[in-house]
Amino acid sequence: DGGITQSPKYLFRKEGQNVTLSCEQNLNHDAMYWYRQDPGQGLRLIYYSQIVNDFQKGDIAEGYSVSREKKESFPLTVTSAQKNPTAFYLCASSIDGGEKLFFGSGTQLSVL
Amino acid sequence: RKEVEQDPGPFNVPEGATVAFNCTYSNSASQSFFWYRQDCRKEPKLLMSVYSSGNEDGRFTAQLNRASQYISLLIRDSKLSDSATYLCVVTLSGGSYIPTFGRGTSLIVHP
Repeated sequence: DGGITQSPKYLFRKEGQNVTLSCEQNLNHDAMYWYRQDPGQGLRLIYYSQIVNDFQKGDIAEGYSVSREKKESFPLTVTSAQKNPTAFYLCASSIDGGEKLFFGSGTQLSVL
Repeated sequence: RKEVEQDPGPFNVPEGATVAFNCTYSNSASQSFFWYRQDCRKEPKLLMSVYSSGNEDGRFTAQLNRASQYISLLIRDSKLSDSATYLCVVTLSGGSYIPTFGRGTSLIVHP
């Protein structure tokens, strides 16, 4: 079945540590996105990529980094510079920008 | 002013009620509009796209008012299973086509 897979489901970060969230899709979608969701809040865009080897900052990119070396993969690294990383992280993809989004099941990141 | 605004609610309604949510957007050049449903600590799932002429899917009706820059979602004959957060999504033009989310409207349907 085609879909978008995020892992892990739960992740814990120690102070000063970088952690990487995985996002893989087999939908052959060009566009991929990372969103952050805090309790009771909407989704805020961290990074997006509309083509392999290219990505753009979203509204809250500070403290995060991404890569898009393959069409199907868009990993997100939460660096030690992100001082408040506890949140629910959602990866999404779409056939093209402007089309409906398909979401992974999310990763809950917490700080130890 | 936020780009996409929704009343967070919660809207607390009895089963069988009709309930409507609005979502306003600030960029008049916005091109695509969607409603997503999100259950607690789950990923959002597409409920319906919103077309200029309005569209209906069973108990759900979506409308777009470009002149006033808002979209609406009407739910008829509410079910307990409709309890969720409803997210409005607007795709802004300008070359990047980035989906922008409202903060969501919480719906609680009670017996």
